[in-house]
Amino acid sequence: AQTVTQSQPEMSVQEAETVTLSCTYDTSESDYYLFWYKQPPSRQMILVIRQEAYKQQNATENRFSVNFQKAAKSFSLKISDSQLGDAAMYFCAYSMGGTSYGKLTFGQGTILTVHP
Amino acid sequence: DTEVTQTPKHLVMGMTNKKSLKCEQHMGHRAMYWYKQKAKKPPELMFVYSYEKLSINESVPSRFSPECPNSSLLNLHLHALQPEDSALYLCASSPHTSGGFLGQFFGPGTRLTVL
Repeated sequence: AQTVTQSQPEMSVQEAETVTLSCTYDTSESDYYLFWYKQPPSRQMILVIRQEAYKQQNATENRFSVNFQKAAKSFSLKISDSQLGDAAMYFCAYSMGGTSYGKLTFGQGTILTVHP
Repeated sequence: DTEVTQTPKHLVMGMTNKKSLKCEQHMGHRAMYWYKQKAKKPPELMFVYSYEKLSINESVPSRFSPECPNSSLLNLHLHALQPEDSALYLCASSPHTSGGFLGQFFGPGTRLTVL
């Protein structure tokens, strides 16, 4: 079974600084996807970034980027120029490919606090 | 319309009540999901519908009954719930594309309290 591990229950960062959230996963599949989701205290889960396992290039979305190390099964999220609105619970998630829907396996989450 | 909507936002019910949660999306997504989420925990998958057919039931108790009347609508019927069923119930949808799995898109959730 696939597992996703987020080893940092809580992280904090100063506004305008950079923070990196860690995620490791375990799978024997070659076709899969990885995601970072953000859930602010208002609770709606938002998709932040997506990575396909086949793609060597790390995904980026504005201030959010990932460091995808396939051999190490590591998928960290870097948030640059942190803003107060980045404060949220962040979930790393894995989905196997090859189906008409995607079943997500979530990590336990990391609570990010942003200090002004 | 690029969002998933859920109603109601909050629901309080007794253990003998029957109620329903509703989820709607008009993005043409053909997979829809129900999750249960406890505070500061990841969502737990309950059901997956793919092309209006139940594809996954994660051994959910029968007091939760899903229904997918059409490709845009997903319901969760609740009956004889227990206090431990109190949680945030999230709905999500995902598109089926030739470009691979794009991820799930979540609604704002229904906060359920069972007294």
